[in-house]
Amino acid sequence: QVQLQESGPGLVKPAGTLSLTCDVSGYSIKSGFYWGWMRQPPGKGLEWIGSIHHSGGTYHQSSLKSRVSISMETSKNQISLELTSVTAADTATYYCGRSRFGIGLFDPWGQGILVTVSA
Amino acid sequence: EIVLTQSPGTLSLSPGERATLSCRASQRVTSSYLAWYQQKPGQAPRLLISDAADRATGIPDRFSGSGSGTDFTLTINRLEPEDFAVYYCQQYATSPFSFGPGTKVDIK
Repeated sequence: QVQLQESGPGLVKPAGTLSLTCDVSGYSIKSGFYWGWMRQPPGKGLEWIGSIHHSGGTYHQSSLKSRVSISMETSKNQISLELTSVTAADTATYYCGRSRFGIGLFDPWGQGILVTVSA
Repeated sequence: EIVLTQSPGTLSLSPGERATLSCRASQRVTSSYLAWYQQKPGQAPRLLISDAADRATGIPDRFSGSGSGTDFTLTINRLEPEDFAVYYCQQYATSPFSFGPGTKVDIK
């Protein structure tokens, strides 16, 4: 049974870089599937950030594309997210997930990690 | 970009009643690649329905999805106490993959 766990700093300063890792267990990420990141600002709805495949295919939310980098470390079975030049609007719970079909149908999800952007 | 609209914003019902949730897309969702997720406070979203009508593994049959094109519906028959939550629709047909704003089903 595949499980995902997000980790990283819970507080990032404005203009800094948000860096998160998603540890995957129960499945080798180099075996297939797209893997993605989503976020949810406090009290608000969900937003897809981007998805990546071990073959190198990546897709990103257009509004974030210039600031987002998603990568995979297959030796560690990890997915990573970097978001640069953060502002308070990037404060959210960040989730990683496996796309069970195609690029953007996520099941399961990690439990999520709250990242606050504040000085 | 496909924009999803959900209605109503909040649905107040009693246990045992039927819930009918609507999701409308700004353009046709190819191949009915439309999913429904359930989210409870402090938890990650949980996939309920994919391909507009296919229940995910372990999802009770009181949950059903229907629709095609631009109009989709999630129906919950005989609401159980654990069904009171927020429900999101999502299209995974066309990047950027988008979510609706959610419908909250709360206890009347």
